[in-house]
Amino acid sequence: DIQLTQSPSSLSASVGDRVTITCRASQSISTYINWYQQKPGKAPKLLIYSASSLQSGVPSRFSGSGSGTDFTLTIRSLQFEDFASYYCQQTYSASRTFGPGTRVDIK
Amino acid sequence: EVQLVESGGGLAQPGGSLRLSCAVSGFTFGSYWMHWVRQAPGKGLVWVSRIDLDGSSTTYADSVKGRFTISRDNAKNTLYLQMNSLRVEDTAFYYCAREARLALDYWGQGTLVTVSS
Repeated sequence: DIQLTQSPSSLSASVGDRVTITCRASQSISTYINWYQQKPGKAPKLLIYSASSLQSGVPSRFSGSGSGTDFTLTIRSLQFEDFASYYCQQTYSASRTFGPGTRVDIK
Repeated sequence: EVQLVESGGGLAQPGGSLRLSCAVSGFTFGSYWMHWVRQAPGKGLVWVSRIDLDGSSTTYADSVKGRFTISRDNAKNTLYLQMNSLRVEDTAFYYCAREARLALDYWGQGTLVTVSS
């Protein structure tokens, strides 16, 4: 199975900060990576699909990049509503594994 | 409006069984692959299973293979997860989700499964 790692596992940031989260795959997966946001007690929400495509309705401050094994999710100017957990997911293999998640807290 | 509503969660004993359902509306159910994803309280997301358009192809995470069965009834717009030989470590919120463009674009609100004696 393809394994995903995320770094950092958690971070503290302030409103207005630029935040970057990294996801690394155990083998090359082209651009078959998605990013989700999850707030406590809520279902996950799709932010980015196919590494860099912004899901409809998602603010443009979110962006994704990367290919092969290394991917990043960037939040250009962190807003209060962005404090949440973020997960990457690979869809290269039939088993659609998730990364362990990154928690973004208020500094 | 797209809606996915899970049901069937609850308390089960180790070794027991439960059947989860996910009733969908607002889209043509038979045109989308569907997935189950779980999340133990306070932990991360774990992909469980997926099913293709007509149920002829299914895939499972190693942790549930041979114990869980995913199925669908396109006439009833409903996805199922039959869970047998339940273990304490299967305790989690279970979400159903729709796949579009190789991503899970709509999710249900989740149903809690607790496995305990």
